[in-house]
Amino acid sequence: EIVLTQSPGTLSLSPGERATLSCRASQSVSNYLAWYQQKRGQAPRLLISGASSRATGIPDRFSGSGSGTDFTLSISRLESEDFAVYYCQQYGDSPRTFGQGTKVEVK
Amino acid sequence: EVQLLESGGGLIQPGGSLRLSCAASGFTLNSYGFTWVRQTPGKGLKWVSGISNSGTTYYADSVKGRFTISRDNSKNTLYLQMDNLRAEDTALYYCARWNGCGDLWGQGTLVTVSS
Repeated sequence: EIVLTQSPGTLSLSPGERATLSCRASQSVSNYLAWYQQKRGQAPRLLISGASSRATGIPDRFSGSGSGTDFTLSISRLESEDFAVYYCQQYGDSPRTFGQGTKVEVK
Repeated sequence: EVQLLESGGGLIQPGGSLRLSCAASGFTLNSYGFTWVRQTPGKGLKWVSGISNSGTTYYADSVKGRFTISRDNSKNTLYLQMDNLRAEDTALYYCARWNGCGDLWGQGTLVTVSS
């Protein structure tokens, strides 16, 4: 199965700063890559699908890029509600797999 | 309101069975595929099982032969029948509306397998 490795494990930033999260796949998934945000006690929320398409209602400060094996989620200016855990998930191969998550915390 | 609501979790002994339900509201179940995903503190998110809008089913190797996913479009409800449960099945189980990835998730139901 395809292994997704997210880095860093934890990102300590201040509100207003830019966040850059990485997701690397063990083999190519083309652009079949999604990003989710999960807050404590809540279900994951889809942010990005197709590596770069924002889901309905997602602010444009969230952007995704990449293809093949290397992907990036960027948050242009962190707002207080953006501090959470972020997961990538591939759907280029079965079984679908998730990364282990990156926690974005307040510095 | 468009939402999914899971139920059916609980404490069960190893070898026992549980049936999880996922009730959809605000939209029609039969137009979509669905997936069950489980989450544990130590192992993160893991895809468990999926069903397409046409009824084709898919399973992770770890649950194949023990779990059965199904849907009742007349009740707008998705199910996960879990048999021969093991300690390692302990997790928070989410249902999600799925088209490669999940655009709508329920709040989860907790399954604890322990004697």
